[in-house]
Amino acid sequence: KQEVTQIPAALSVPEGENLVLNCSFTDSAIYNLQWFRQDPGKGLTSLLLIQSSQREQTSGRLNASLDKSSGRSTLYIAASQPGDSATYLCAVRSDDYKLSFGAGTTVTVRA
Amino acid sequence: DGGITQSPKYLFRKEGQNVTLSCEQNLNHDAMYWYRQDPGQGLRLIYYSQIVNDFQKGDIAEGYSVSREKKESFPLTVTSAQKNPTAFYLCASRQPAGQGVHGYTFGSGTRLTVV
Repeated sequence: KQEVTQIPAALSVPEGENLVLNCSFTDSAIYNLQWFRQDPGKGLTSLLLIQSSQREQTSGRLNASLDKSSGRSTLYIAASQPGDSATYLCAVRSDDYKLSFGAGTTVTVRA
Repeated sequence: DGGITQSPKYLFRKEGQNVTLSCEQNLNHDAMYWYRQDPGQGLRLIYYSQIVNDFQKGDIAEGYSVSREKKESFPLTVTSAQKNPTAFYLCASRQPAGQGVHGYTFGSGTRLTVV
């Protein structure tokens, strides 16, 4: 069974600092990996999706890398802003079409 | 805009009562999913459906039931057999294979509380 771990569980940084969020998974036989953002009491918003054949994906200030062989993905957020405060979830899709989620990293960006 | 609509946003259930959560999508996606979210835990899969009139149990299906009579709709019923139903419930659909990056889209969630 796929196990997904996100470290740290919480992170607080001053505005302007770069954010580094980590995700690890136990089974490297994945189809893709998706990063989501969740605001309090809200649903999930997709940020980036990396296919198993890709090494990274970029969207604006966000960059996600994938090292399938070591079971790791990292989400980088450049020049953080207070609006980036949220919980970030990593989800791994295996070939059986099911997503396995980490518990998330809660980010606070201080103005 | 295409998306997933979940209703109601808040739902209160009395002991011994069945309640139904609605999930509707206009994305033309075949696959739909129900997840449960508890504080400090990752999302857990309750049920999923890859095509109309077919669905499979997820990791925590006990005390829940679903139907998939239409492509657009995938309602979840929380039965009285579910002993700890207080949680945040999220519905999702998946982009079909061959149509891009196969990503998942989520609704805004229903918060269920037992009173």
